Amino acid sequence: GAGVSQSPSNKVTEKGKDVELRCDPISGHTALYWYRQSLGQGLEFLIYFQGNSAPDKSGLPSDRFSAERTGGSVSTLTIQRTQQEDSAVYLCASSSPLLTGNSYEQYFGPGTRLTVT
Amino acid sequence: GESVGLHLPTLSVQEGDNSIINCAYSNSASDYFIWYKQESGKGPQFIIDIRSNMDKRQGQRVTVLLNKTVKHLSLQIAATQPGDSAVYFCAAPVCDSNYQLIWGAGTKLIIKP
Repeated sequence: GAGVSQSPSNKVTEKGKDVELRCDPISGHTALYWYRQSLGQGLEFLIYFQGNSAPDKSGLPSDRFSAERTGGSVSTLTIQRTQQEDSAVYLCASSSPLLTGNSYEQYFGPGTRLTVT
Repeated sequence: GESVGLHLPTLSVQEGDNSIINCAYSNSASDYFIWYKQESGKGPQFIIDIRSNMDKRQGQRVTVLLNKTVKHLSLQIAATQPGDSAVYFCAAPVCDSNYQLIWGAGTKLIIKP
């Protein structure tokens, strides 16, 4: 079936504007993750969803960042009043621990490259 | 705090040679490790994992070796091909988490023709 998809693939925005990033996980995957990847760096965990609930929001960098997931499927990451330091690639991943027995085997989307000017 | 890190940011190998990508970790209690491959413009892709009760695990053309004594693991790729060009990440679970990983910065593997 289809993999994880993200949209848009690229987003250029002006400092101070709000942006919404979308993630469509693999159908049936109950767990969903958002990460941020700066140039040449590893992945920085932002938030984890199990179903529609987010038991762990500890990675969100500030209160300008929020995320929601509806219907146990699509998720949206919203960044309000964007700053230049928000520029990065935002990656979404999903997993199905019940099927694979391994919550660490995550399936990633191609990411959204966000540039704040 | 916990850390996972790769030794070299870039590794250049001749096509057909074997590649060895190294990774060190700080938490001696870590009991699981995972390698991901990230090709340009794509998200990371699971390659292989290993649990701490093993020293070695083999996949298709890849082998992961774990040395718990020195807290080191390596990913070996046999007969490196152009399609192996990517950034390789090692990762380990954050202590007491069953879903959160701590990631190294990645090693970029460059294949010379």
